Amino acid sequence: EVQLVESGGGLIQPGGSLRLSCAASGFTVSSKYMSWVRQAPGKGLEWVSLIYSGGNTYYADSVKGRFTISRDKSKNTLYLQMNSLRAEDSAVYYCARYDDYYYAMDVWGQGTTVTVSS
Amino acid sequence: DIQMTQSPSSVSASVGDRVTITCRASQTISSWLAWYQQKPGKAPKLLIYAASSLQSGVPSRFSGSGSGTDFTLTISSLQPEDFATYYCQQANSFPLFTFGPGTKVDIK
Repeated sequence: EVQLVESGGGLIQPGGSLRLSCAASGFTVSSKYMSWVRQAPGKGLEWVSLIYSGGNTYYADSVKGRFTISRDKSKNTLYLQMNSLRAEDSAVYYCARYDDYYYAMDVWGQGTTVTVSS
Repeated sequence: DIQMTQSPSSVSASVGDRVTITCRASQTISSWLAWYQQKPGKAPKLLIYAASSLQSGVPSRFSGSGSGTDFTLTISSLQPEDFATYYCQQANSFPLFTFGPGTKVDIK
C-alpha cells in the first residue's frame, strides 16, 4: 500500500528549529517528486517546498532561506528542516507525492502540527 | 506569480443538488489544474487532474472542465459524503504551485 506518515511536529518557541519527517511505503521517495504543503489553522493550503527526483529543491518565498527539504534514500524518508521559526509558520504540515503523470499531488500524509509560540 | 481565485467561497446545498465551483487563474495555465477535496481534520484528496481527468476511485458525479484561465468543478448530484472544502491548484508554474482559497460546501 502506498502511504506517507509524517512526524516531528510540536510546540516550539519563535526563533527555534524543528525537523519534520515523512516516512514513505509502497514507493521510493528518491524516484518521485516530493512536496511539503502546510495549512494554518482555519486557512487554506499553502505549498511550501518540493524536491525533484534528481535532487533539485524549490521553496515558497515565505520560507526560502529558513527551510530545507531533503530525503534519505536508505530510510525512504522525506524531511523538512525548519529554522528561525515564526508564529506564522504555525500550521499542519503535509507531505505529498507529486506525480508528473497527473501533474498533481496524488498521495498525502495525515499531517503533523507545528505550533510556534512562546 | 500566478494567483488563483475561487467562487463562491462557500455554498449551501442539499443532497441531490448540482453544485458548480469556479476557479480562475491570473494568467493562462493551459490545462495544468487539479481539484482536491478536504474534509475537516483530514488530508486533501485528489479528485481531478489535468483540468478534466477523474482520479482513479473518484465517483463519476465529479467532473472538471476548462482551460486557459477559467475552470469549473461540478458535482452532479451532491451526496452526504461530499460536504467538504474544495481547492483548485495550478501546476503550470511547476515547481512553484499555487492553491485557490477554497470553497466550502455545506448542508443547506
